[in-house]
Amino acid sequence: AQSVTQPDARVTVSEGASLQLRCKYSYSGTPYLFWYVQYPRQGLQLLLKYYSGDPVVQGVNGFEAEFIKSNSSFHLRKASVHWSDSAVYFCAVSANNNNAPRFGAGTKLSVKP
Amino acid sequence: DAGVTQTPRHEVAEKGQTIILKCEPVSGHNDLFWYRQTKIQGLELLSYFRSKSLMEDGGAFKDRFKAEMLNSSFSTLKIQPTEPKDSAVYLCASSLYGGYTGQLYFGEGSKLTVL
Repeated sequence: AQSVTQPDARVTVSEGASLQLRCKYSYSGTPYLFWYVQYPRQGLQLLLKYYSGDPVVQGVNGFEAEFIKSNSSFHLRKASVHWSDSAVYFCAVSANNNNAPRFGAGTKLSVKP
Repeated sequence: DAGVTQTPRHEVAEKGQTIILKCEPVSGHNDLFWYRQTKIQGLELLSYFRSKSLMEDGGAFKDRFKAEMLNSSFSTLKIQPTEPKDSAVYLCASSLYGGYTGQLYFGEGSKLTVL
């Protein structure tokens, strides 16, 4: 079965700084990978997804993620964060069309002004 | 288009009670998911339906948790009997093409507190 580990429960960065949120997945095959974001009092929303091809995928609001198969990782990055990026970020993995995506525990991002 | 609608938004129950949470998926979506969200565990899968057929259920939740698709546009999650450890946010999500490749659309969740 597939699973996801997000090793950082909380991350705090200053506005304008760069960001990396870590995600490691466990699955022996080729995974489909996602990042979702949950803003306060809102439902989860898709940021970006990786299926195949270019391992660096672009998402909304300047976010990108890189799939590194040798490391089983799919870290999320942003060059310059804004205070409005403060939210909880979830990494997810899907194995096949008959299985639901599995999510990590989430990383709470706080952006200091 | 209406998104995923979950009711009630908040529920307080006494230990041992039965509670029913409701979900209306996005119109036309074939896949429906129930997850439980806690700060420690994150999102844990409870049930996954495709066109009303149960595809997966979370092994740890089988005994007191039962999700049903009453029709293509309405699902319920019953917890019976409730325990304090069930206090969490219960999320419903739907997808047009399946969770494998398609985007999940989430509701805002039902927050359950069991006393």
